Amino acid sequence: GAGVSQSPSNKVTEKGKDVELRCDPISGHTALYWYRQSLGQGLEFLIYFQGNSAPDKSGLPSDRFSAERTGGSVSTLTIQRTQQEDSAVYLCASKPGQGTYGYTFGSGTRLTVV
Amino acid sequence: DQQVKQNSPSLSVQEGRISILNCDYTNSMFDYFLWYKKYPAEGPTFLISISSIKDKNEDGRFTVFLNKSAKHLSLHIVPSQPGDSAVYFCAVSTWGNTGKLIFGQGTTLQVKP
Repeated sequence: GAGVSQSPSNKVTEKGKDVELRCDPISGHTALYWYRQSLGQGLEFLIYFQGNSAPDKSGLPSDRFSAERTGGSVSTLTIQRTQQEDSAVYLCASKPGQGTYGYTFGSGTRLTVV
Repeated sequence: DQQVKQNSPSLSVQEGRISILNCDYTNSMFDYFLWYKKYPAEGPTFLISISSIKDKNEDGRFTVFLNKSAKHLSLHIVPSQPGDSAVYFCAVSTWGNTGKLIFGQGTTLQVKP
């Protein structure tokens, strides 16, 4: 597609439920990132995928968080047993390859845990 | 401990005047610096960047200044326009790495007509 697409745009879930957030990167972009922005905070790095390399999971806040990227394209971020502190905007970004240019963000998924 | 700090949560300026947004970082190993702009309900968009070998980069109304000795980065917008009203994030990285960026908390700029 023309841009990075994320779905759903908004998600309200009950505490303890699992959620899946989806990211469709720009076609041909080999690098994909997940960030989140909690209220009043900057963007916090979660995980990075580059081609077929092992992902950099160093930003995942707990083992309740996981992500996969199938076929080098679509990525899914899964949060198990959601907690209220997981409420945030989850942003996905992609870029053509290594280096710091060309980072395109999606519009994000606003997750609210009640 | 935050590696990138934007100490001003908000800034209000009059249309036509200069907007100056500031950012401080702690690690002298960072060598690539970026500014992103974010409108409500949209993802951040890249605005301008600078590498550590420069101290200034200009793109139209936007200029980024880098003071490596002070570990300080600033974005100047002149003249400011109402459409510039948005949240501005500075971000830092190490050139040639995975491209992982460390962001500041953001500064909300309001440009009044």
